[in-house]
Amino acid sequence: DTGVSQNPRHKITKRGQNVTFRCDPISEHNRLYWYRQTLGQGPEFLTYFQNEAQLEKSRLLSDRFSAERPKGSFSTLEIQRTEQGDSAMYLCASSGQLRLSDEQFFGPGTRLTVL
Amino acid sequence: AQKITQTQPGMFVQEKEAVTLDCTYDTSDQSYGLFWYKQPSSGEMIFLIYQGSYDEQNATEGRYSLNFQKARKSANLVISASQLGDSAMYFCAMREVESGAGSYQLTFGKGTKLSVIP
Repeated sequence: DTGVSQNPRHKITKRGQNVTFRCDPISEHNRLYWYRQTLGQGPEFLTYFQNEAQLEKSRLLSDRFSAERPKGSFSTLEIQRTEQGDSAMYLCASSGQLRLSDEQFFGPGTRLTVL
Repeated sequence: AQKITQTQPGMFVQEKEAVTLDCTYDTSDQSYGLFWYKQPSSGEMIFLIYQGSYDEQNATEGRYSLNFQKARKSANLVISASQLGDSAMYFCAMREVESGAGSYQLTFGKGTKLSVIP
């Protein structure tokens, strides 16, 4: 399977703990996106990487959130001192060319529950 | 103001019938793209169809077609011959060029839950 993969698929944590999610994009894609989807909403943009460079961050990405993409391959999203409001589905997507028509390929998501 | 508005939280359609899912958008850009994604209960977003703002013809992909009315800023998805497997959430999304960031991020609506009845 050469699609976008995300791990873990589910994560339950207690408030105040740190969590880290991983995304493996389609191998030839150099653009990688993170989105957050809360219940009853569409995905909301969090951050964007072109190769290893993080070029854009949404204001939704508070200072408790950090994302990396070392070597321009996989990416990690870390949430420090989790809060109940962080409970959501975290989606990763990748794309190849930066053209208006290019679709983003999404992974299955990581569902985070903060107790 | 919402950039993407999907006014139908839920829709029901009889199997083998056609259904239209509504989407209106708001942008001041001249160049933009509109996408529809399907999200089954498994969670993965599946790309269905794309329409560019300069495309003169409505996009079609198999049983999916996009009814694009630029002056009304609407981009409705039409699914013909509905199947049970079409039951899912459907999201309309927009990519802006000028006012959007260089990332070409997608802005999504809240979605419509489609249920296909046997």
